Amino acid sequence: GENVEQHPSTLSVQEGDSAVIKCTYSDSASNYFPWYKQELGKRPQLIIDIRSNVGEKKDQRIAVTLNKTAKHFSLHITETQPEDSAVYFCAPKDGGSNYKLTFGKGTLLTVNP
Amino acid sequence: GAVVSQHPSWVICKSGTSVKIECRSLDFQATTMFWYRQFPKQSLMLMATSNEGSKATYEQGVEKDKFLINHASLTLSTLTVTSAHPEDSSFYICSALRGSTDTQYFGPGTRLTVL
Repeated sequence: GENVEQHPSTLSVQEGDSAVIKCTYSDSASNYFPWYKQELGKRPQLIIDIRSNVGEKKDQRIAVTLNKTAKHFSLHITETQPEDSAVYFCAPKDGGSNYKLTFGKGTLLTVNP
Repeated sequence: GAVVSQHPSWVICKSGTSVKIECRSLDFQATTMFWYRQFPKQSLMLMATSNEGSKATYEQGVEKDKFLINHASLTLSTLTVTSAHPEDSSFYICSALRGSTDTQYFGPGTRLTVL
C-alpha cells in the first residue's frame, strides 16, 4: 500500500505570512494528489488537487506543486488569514484503479492575528 | 453540487447494541462510497470501500462481521456497527465518488459514543 508522510505536524504563522506543507508518498503509480482542510468536528473539504500531468496548480491564495520524480507534493498558502486555521491533510490516490486515498497524518495550521 | 449527507450526526448507545449509520449522495449517483474512522486528533483511516450492488472491500484489520456495509442503491450506503463496545467510539465519515472522477466528497460525519 501507499506510505504517506506529511510535514510539519504543526505550523504556526502570523497573519499575512505564507505557509507550506509537504507530503511525500511511495507509490510511483499515484496520479491524483488532493489536499483537504478539516476544521474541528467537521468534514474534510477539498481545497485543491493536482494530477500527475501538471507540475503546479493555483487557486487564488492556494497552490499545489508536484514533483513526481521525487514523489512529493506541497501545499502553499499565501497571505494567511485566521480562518485558514485548521488541520490540513494530503491524500494521494493509490496507483491502482480502486480510487482509494491514503491520508497523511495531518498538519495543524494556526494563523495568529 | 456534490452534497453528501450522513445520519445520524451523533449517537450514544449501550455496549452490545448495534448502530446503523447512513450515507447519502443527495445530488449525484455514487457507485462507490468509502467509510473512514477518525479518532481524536488523528488522521482518517479507511475502513472499507462500498460498491453498489456488490460486497464491500475491507481494509486489513477491519472486521467485516463487525462493521457491516450495504450499498443497495446508487445514493445510499449504510454502515452497521454490530455489538458495539467502548473502543468503537469514534468519528465515522463516509465519502462518495461522483462519476468516474477521482474526487471524494465527504459527509459531515457521525460521532459514535458507546457507553
